[in-house]
Amino acid sequence: GESVGLHLPTLSVQEGDNSIINCAYSNSASDYFIWYKQESGKGPQFIIDIRSNMDKRQGQRVTVLLNKTVKHLSLQIAATQPGDSAVYFCAETYSGNTPLVFGKGTRLSVIA
Amino acid sequence: GAVVSQHPSWVICKSGTSVKIECRSLDFQATTMFWYRQFPKQSLMLMATSNEGSKATYEQGVEKDKFLINHASLTLSTLTVTSAHPEDSSFYICSARVFRGTSGRTSYNEQFFGPGTRLTVL
Repeated sequence: GESVGLHLPTLSVQEGDNSIINCAYSNSASDYFIWYKQESGKGPQFIIDIRSNMDKRQGQRVTVLLNKTVKHLSLQIAATQPGDSAVYFCAETYSGNTPLVFGKGTRLSVIA
Repeated sequence: GAVVSQHPSWVICKSGTSVKIECRSLDFQATTMFWYRQFPKQSLMLMATSNEGSKATYEQGVEKDKFLINHASLTLSTLTVTSAHPEDSSFYICSARVFRGTSGRTSYNEQFFGPGTRLTVL
C-alpha cells in the first residue's frame, strides 16, 4: 500500500507484484519527461523517458504513461524485485532546453 | 559515454570553513552544468545553472555569495560553499547538459548526473 510520510510517500509492494508510481508535473509547456531511480547516497539513474508526442513507452520491465490533459505521469514496474527498492523521481523539461525539474519522489519498498 | 564525476564524494568540515566540490564531464564537453541540492527524504532542488565562461544563474532563494560557482572550462564546474554552517549540510549533485540535435526549430538536450557529494558541516 501507499503512505504519505513527512516528505516522501512510500509504496510497499510484494516481490513479484507490479508497481505503479505516479507523478504530477507542473509545467504544461514541458515536452520531455524522464523517470529516475535514486539509491541511497547516489545520484539519479536514468530509467526511461518519454516525449509529449507519445502517451506510452515501454522498456525492459518498465512502462511510462503520459497523460498531458491532467499533467500526469506514471511508471509501471513489472515483476518488482528487491533491487528495485529505491526512490523514484519524475523530471520534466522543455526539450532539454530548460533545467530538469524534479517531482517530489516516491520511495518504493519491495517486500521479499 | 556521458559520464559525470564529482569530487569529493563526501566531506566533513567545521562550521565557518569553505568547501569546494568539483564536477567533471569525463567524455564529453558540456556548455551548461547544473547544481542541485537534496536534503534528506526530499527531492532534488535546482540551485543554479552554470554556463562555461559566464556567471552562473541562481534560483530564487539561493545566495550567490554563499554558493560560488565557477565554470572555467567545458569539462569542469566547481561549487564552493563559503563559510559553511550546519544547515548547509546536504547532498549536492551536479549535472551536465549535452546537445543532441534539432528537430525543426527545436533543439534537444540531455542532462547527465554526477554521483553526488555528501557535505556534513559540524
